[in-house]
Amino acid sequence: QKEVEQNSGPLSVPEGAIASLNCTYSDRVSQSFFWYRQYSGKSPELIMSIYSNGDKEDGRFTAQLNKASQYVSLLIRDSQPSDSATYLCAGGAAGANNLFFGTGTRLTVIP
Amino acid sequence: SAVISQKPSRDICQRGTSLTIQCQVDSQVTMMFWYRQQPGQSLTLIATANQGSEATYESGFVIDKFPISRPNLTFSTLTVSNMSPEDSSIYLCSVSKTTNEKLFFGSGTQLSVL
Repeated sequence: QKEVEQNSGPLSVPEGAIASLNCTYSDRVSQSFFWYRQYSGKSPELIMSIYSNGDKEDGRFTAQLNKASQYVSLLIRDSQPSDSATYLCAGGAAGANNLFFGTGTRLTVIP
Repeated sequence: SAVISQKPSRDICQRGTSLTIQCQVDSQVTMMFWYRQQPGQSLTLIATANQGSEATYESGFVIDKFPISRPNLTFSTLTVSNMSPEDSSIYLCSVSKTTNEKLFFGSGTQLSVL
């Protein structure tokens, strides 16, 4: 099992809808969790971090962490065409200096 | 967050040559990493750049091919040596204040090898 796995999509939602992105992780990944957004031709940009169980909201974004089920999700409310990008899930592991990245989910918001 | 300057932003190189990519951070950081992102793929860690000592390479990457320097806490270079078309990729510098913490990325270097 890879340390971090994402449903690869692609995912298409209409403008104004809720986009739901999901990620599962292995036993090794336990410390910290992050969501990055990457526009085509650009470098990844951190949009959310979450460290404890539950929900964390920031504007239209909500990250959800469930350590018992080993998943982390990102909800984007009122999706906009500008949200169209690839979203990368990442997690930190004890004893590892770097983060482990998922393969990314490509989101398209249709006007 | 850290401001990371990476250059060059893109280059087209001939097979067999080498390219050195520079990464400059506006503040001291504990961790610096070099990633590769091939077209349509996620991020692959090449190595951790260690200040004042040899870099720590991931499986599949070797020092002779990807020599890395990190003379201080704000600067690192990655060299892609003896390039082949398979090295065509985006190379990303990333930094973190501490381990297991959020990473910030440079703008990347788009490398094309002919």
